[in-house]
Amino acid sequence: GIQVEQSPPDLILQEGANSTLRCNFSDSVNNLQWFHQNPWGQLINLFYIPSGTKQNGRLSATTVATERYSLLYISSSQTTDSGVYFCAVERFQKLVFGTGTRLLVSP
Amino acid sequence: DSGVTQTPKHLITATGQRVTLRCSPRSGDLSVYWYQQSLDQGLQFLIQYYNGEERAKGNILERFSAQQFPDLHSELNLSSLELGDSALYFCASSVETEPYEQYFGPGTRLTVT
Repeated sequence: GIQVEQSPPDLILQEGANSTLRCNFSDSVNNLQWFHQNPWGQLINLFYIPSGTKQNGRLSATTVATERYSLLYISSSQTTDSGVYFCAVERFQKLVFGTGTRLLVSP
Repeated sequence: DSGVTQTPKHLITATGQRVTLRCSPRSGDLSVYWYQQSLDQGLQFLIQYYNGEERAKGNILERFSAQQFPDLHSELNLSSLELGDSALYFCASSVETEPYEQYFGPGTRLTVT
């Protein structure tokens, strides 16, 4: 089946720093979503981004479908950004998740 | 708040028992998906229902079953529970036309002792 790899696996930042998270996938996909899993376990939708670039406040994402990768940018990080970030690719309407990037933002 | 609700939030039960997890999709969504998040397997797709019919199956054990009712809520039944079934179980829903963006409920944390 399709493989979804995320890097880095762990990231520690000081508040105010910027970061880039990467998601590589091994085959063509219909769509791609980014999620933030907060410390309480809830999965929060960040972006639905099959291709192109989108921005939402301090977060932005870019997907280059032809090269099979997506990037999530976090600028001016805050402690509330801590948690695990997942990308998930859609194949036949089911989502295949990557292993996540665990982010810790310290004050 | 995604609009997807799940009950209960937490469930503690013993090995060999049977439990039922409940999910109500967002208003207007006909598709419901179940996912399992465990420490060793990560987030995995279990099963999808669309308007009451099973649409797709993933890595769902034979001891597990699901259904979607006429009011579109869904239930995931887990039987003959084992320690390894301890996990966070998510329900998600989406519309049936593009974009198929899936929205997740808060999850049910199952602990099997």
